[in-house]
Amino acid sequence: ETGVTQTPRHLVMGMTNKKSLKCEQHLGHNAMYWYKQSAKKPLELMFVYNFKEQTENNSVPSRFSPECPNSSHLFLHLHTLQPEDSALYLCASSHWGSGATYEQYFGPGTRLTVT
Amino acid sequence: EDKVVQSPLSLVVHEGDTVTLNCSYEVTNFRSLLWYKQEKKAPTFLFMLTSSGIEKKSGRLSSILDKKELFSILNITATQTGDSAIYLCAVEVNAGGTSYGKLTFGQGTILTVHP
Repeated sequence: ETGVTQTPRHLVMGMTNKKSLKCEQHLGHNAMYWYKQSAKKPLELMFVYNFKEQTENNSVPSRFSPECPNSSHLFLHLHTLQPEDSALYLCASSHWGSGATYEQYFGPGTRLTVT
Repeated sequence: EDKVVQSPLSLVVHEGDTVTLNCSYEVTNFRSLLWYKQEKKAPTFLFMLTSSGIEKKSGRLSSILDKKELFSILNITATQTGDSAIYLCAVEVNAGGTSYGKLTFGQGTILTVHP
């Protein structure tokens, strides 16, 4: 596997279910990100992890819970979601360096539908 | 609040045409501007621009940044059907003293190239 991978690619869940999204990067990066892409809206940053430490929580509801066990893996745990949470969830990774700027590489996303 | 606006929102052209996509921004603590191409799911990185007036070029695609007027353009010459995609502009800002790449995305330009 190369680049950034995400599983599952599609997920349908009820509002009372608990599920998890998984992201893995094979690029040797040390920062990972979760984004939400809803129809007709710009990509929205949700969470940022740098060297496994969460450095940003962009006012995301607590029904979304991220986990980063190491710099290659990132999870998004989902529980009691709402229909408006249906969206494409994208994971990205990048290098991280003080004062430097690095492009982010994206995974293929998980298309989530909440019924 | 940081803002990135792309225009046009959609564009339909024929193969061989040249297109210009626009991205304007109003952000604090600008670091860089990035262009991505999103075809089915994963946005793929095209360019990162940090300095005004220096054109970045890759094949038929080129981009330039104007930090005084706060905008960037993405040019595609001799368009092909494979250029059909959503083109995303994102601006990276310094966020709260940390050095990670906090990206604010525009809403994207949907480009359709007909044979």
